[in-house]
Amino acid sequence: AQKVTQAQTEISVVEKEDVTLDCVYETRDTTYYLFWYKQPPSGELVFLIRRNSFDEQNEISGRYSWNFQKSTSSFNFTITASQVVDSAVYFCALSAEYNFNKFYFGSGTKLNVKP
Amino acid sequence: DADVTQTPRNRITKTGKRIMLECSQTKGHDRMYWYRQDPGLGLRLIYYSFDVKDINKGEISDGYSVSRQAQAKFSLSLESAIPNQTALYFCATSRVGETQYFGPGTRLLVL
Repeated sequence: AQKVTQAQTEISVVEKEDVTLDCVYETRDTTYYLFWYKQPPSGELVFLIRRNSFDEQNEISGRYSWNFQKSTSSFNFTITASQVVDSAVYFCALSAEYNFNKFYFGSGTKLNVKP
Repeated sequence: DADVTQTPRNRITKTGKRIMLECSQTKGHDRMYWYRQDPGLGLRLIYYSFDVKDINKGEISDGYSVSRQAQAKFSLSLESAIPNQTALYFCATSRVGETQYFGPGTRLLVL
């Protein structure tokens, strides 16, 4: 079975603080993809990153970075020097070899960045 | 213009009414999906379609039906709406095995 757990329901930080959003996944497949999406207050879902199971290199994009560790089945997302515009709900998702078309979403982490 | 559009963006309806939510895409993707989002539950898959002739149930298909009128159009129907179908509904598209791209969402309130 496939499952994604985002244990942090809501996080509040002050602007310029670093924050890490946790994502733990479960799958028996050896080939799978992991994703992060951002949902700002306006409601749309914005794709942030896609990572396949064979690529454990960390990725950095501006203030965003992702740490993929197969040993702990985690795909954590860090925002450095957070800004108010980062306030959103962030979703982690998994698709696996069993059926790549089916995405399994975590329940989301709401990030509040206060000025 | 947006690649994935949904109409209407907001809808209020009454219990027992039939309503249709529509999704169109210009991305040329063959896969299309309908999800609903409820607070604290993330997104749950209602139906997905590989092409015009292929429709598959997701994890919460009861009370819903879909129609894939063309490669670019995928509609979701609530035959007889009930209050617990109040939610935010998203359409998404993808190529096989690739990233899903979402529409702007439809907020549905069933009174």
